[in-house]
Amino acid sequence: NAGVTQTPKFQVLKTGQSMTLQCAQDMNHNSMYWYRQDPGMGLRLIYYSASEGTTDKGEVPNGYNVSRLNKREFSLRLESAAPSQTSVYFCASSAQGVVEQYFGPGTRLTVT
Amino acid sequence: QQQVKQSPQSLIVQKGGISIINCAYENTAFDYFPWYQQFPGKGPALLIAIRPDVSEKKEGRFTISFNKSAKQFSLHIMDSQPGDSATYFCAAYSGAGSYQLTFGKGTKLSVIP
Repeated sequence: NAGVTQTPKFQVLKTGQSMTLQCAQDMNHNSMYWYRQDPGMGLRLIYYSASEGTTDKGEVPNGYNVSRLNKREFSLRLESAAPSQTSVYFCASSAQGVVEQYFGPGTRLTVT
Repeated sequence: QQQVKQSPQSLIVQKGGISIINCAYENTAFDYFPWYQQFPGKGPALLIAIRPDVSEKKEGRFTISFNKSAKQFSLHIMDSQPGDSATYFCAAYSGAGSYQLTFGKGTKLSVIP
């Protein structure tokens, strides 16, 4: 039981490049989330998927897109990376009707 | 607009001392208040949580105190240990179909021997 896994762990992009961050969970959770963490800013919600087939914007969605591929997988795409998107990205999941969220180990992204 | 204000930003405590981190919120619709612990290079992990129908919850050395009228809650770590050195985040959740946790900005705790 790996919990929530994220790939890659580290990534460096040039401005304008695109990439997809991958997230998978093996806890049969219905809901999945993408956060970004910046120094002194806490965690801010980018997008979430309450259940398979649905996605909704969070607090800071601009510049990102998401895909809930199936119940296990939720990906985050940066179409044209900007230096302001340099951050640590966390994926999380939770069971239906349960508030507790379980976080992955994070992806550290640097955009130059 | 920050809905959960957390203080202090950083905290240094001697081993065996009490660590206290405070949070205040504005939205009275919040009905669940978790604390997360994050070690360097790791994702946050749920530490302890409380609902507003109780004023205190204790799990081992960790206690949440909740003051509904003041819209404040705090985390107390008794007998603090160097292994408790981490960043702590308070959060709030409003339920009612919302899936969004609102996090404080975090407190970096250092417990020195």
